[in-house]
Parts: sequence; C-alpha cells; structure tokens
Amino acid sequence: DSGVTQTPKHLITATGQRVTLRCSPRSGDLSVYWYQQSLDQGLQFLIQYYNGEERAKGNILERFSAQQFPDLHSELNLSSLELGDSALYFCASSSGPDRGHGYTFGSGTRLTVV
Amino acid sequence: GQQVMQIPQYQHVQEGEDFTTYCNSSTTLSNIQWYKQRPGGHPVFLIQLVKSGEVKKQKRLTFQFGEAKKNSSLHITATQTTDVGTYFCAGLKGGSQGNLIFGKGTKLSVKP
Repeated sequence: DSGVTQTPKHLITATGQRVTLRCSPRSGDLSVYWYQQSLDQGLQFLIQYYNGEERAKGNILERFSAQQFPDLHSELNLSSLELGDSALYFCASSSGPDRGHGYTFGSGTRLTVV
Repeated sequence: GQQVMQIPQYQHVQEGEDFTTYCNSSTTLSNIQWYKQRPGGHPVFLIQLVKSGEVKKQKRLTFQFGEAKKNSSLHITATQTTDVGTYFCAGLKGGSQGNLIFGKGTKLSVKP
C-alpha cells in the first residue's frame, strides 16, 4: 500500500458516458497530480492541484475536469467518453518534488470505454 | 514545450548482462527523478538527482546527472529477473511548481 488510494480500480463504460475517478493522497501531502497512461505509452500529465487550488495543466482535454476538495482528496471527471480515452489513470501525491521527495503513485484506475 | 526523451524504448537482456537507459531534456532541469513500474503495477520512486555531475548508487543501480543538467542515465549491473519493468526518468524544470515531465520509459525484459 503506497498510501495513495484510488477508486475504483476498474471501470467499464460506454462511449458518451461520464465517469468520476477518485483519489485520496498520502497523509500530509498537499499536492495531487493526475496522469494518463495508454498502452505502451508514457505518463501523460493531466493536471496538478496544491492545497485545493489548480497549479498546473498539462494535456488535459476540455471534456476532462478535476478538483481538489478541502479534505485534499481529488476527483477527475471524464465526460463524453470516447474509445480513445481507454487508459490507466494514475493519481500521485507529493509533499514537494523539489525537496527530494518523489511522487507517490496510487494503483491506478483502469478505464475501458466500449 | 519541455520534452524529456528516453532511449531505448525496449531492451531485452540475458540475466547477468548490464543495462543502461538514457534520458535527455530539451531544457536545463533543476532535478531529475527515476521511477520503476513493474508489469501491472504503478510507478515507484527510485531516486532524485539534483547536482550537476551527480552520481548515486543503489546496490546494482547507478544513476548519473549530466554536467549541463540536461541528461541522465540509469545503469544496472548484472541484471536479475527482479529488474523487469519499465524505467522512467522525470525532469523538473527550474522554477516549476513541482510538475514533473516524464520520459516515455524504457521497458526492460530479462531472460533467465
């Protein structure tokens, strides 16, 4: 157990639908990051939150949105799903990668769009 | 935008052989981190390099950060089957809020 909890672990849904992925960061970590990993692809940065505020945006589609709540858990909302959105979605948390602490990743949510 | 390139994409070795993966950034990095992702698992932080020319060792793993802080390498001596997985480098640009840019990774397979 890495300390970062992601739910659900697996999700199968139809095209056009909307899903919500949830992440609880490691205790004490204020930063939450969302990454998308497609088959044989690297980790594509989607978005970062720090203590409830959006800090950085990566290659996140307009159909996707996220937020971080006062208790620091985060949700990634994916809407109007397409087949190409099928991927592993990782959440990671950190206390600050520029202070020698790496990211702690959750186990991921595997999304399959059919 | 900033890119982190990693080669090779795949590497197949016989157990006992050495393995090296290389990482290059288009811009100067304030630090670089390395992660390992086992098949079916999630990325796990291995190490961070901060100083120009820095070399760090973890048992059979040797990590280097280039003098210009634009490139890095991970070398594994005498690979074992437990080394199987994908190794990612990730760069943090100076002044960044903490957003790491990951390379595409090198997938290592080890034949016993």
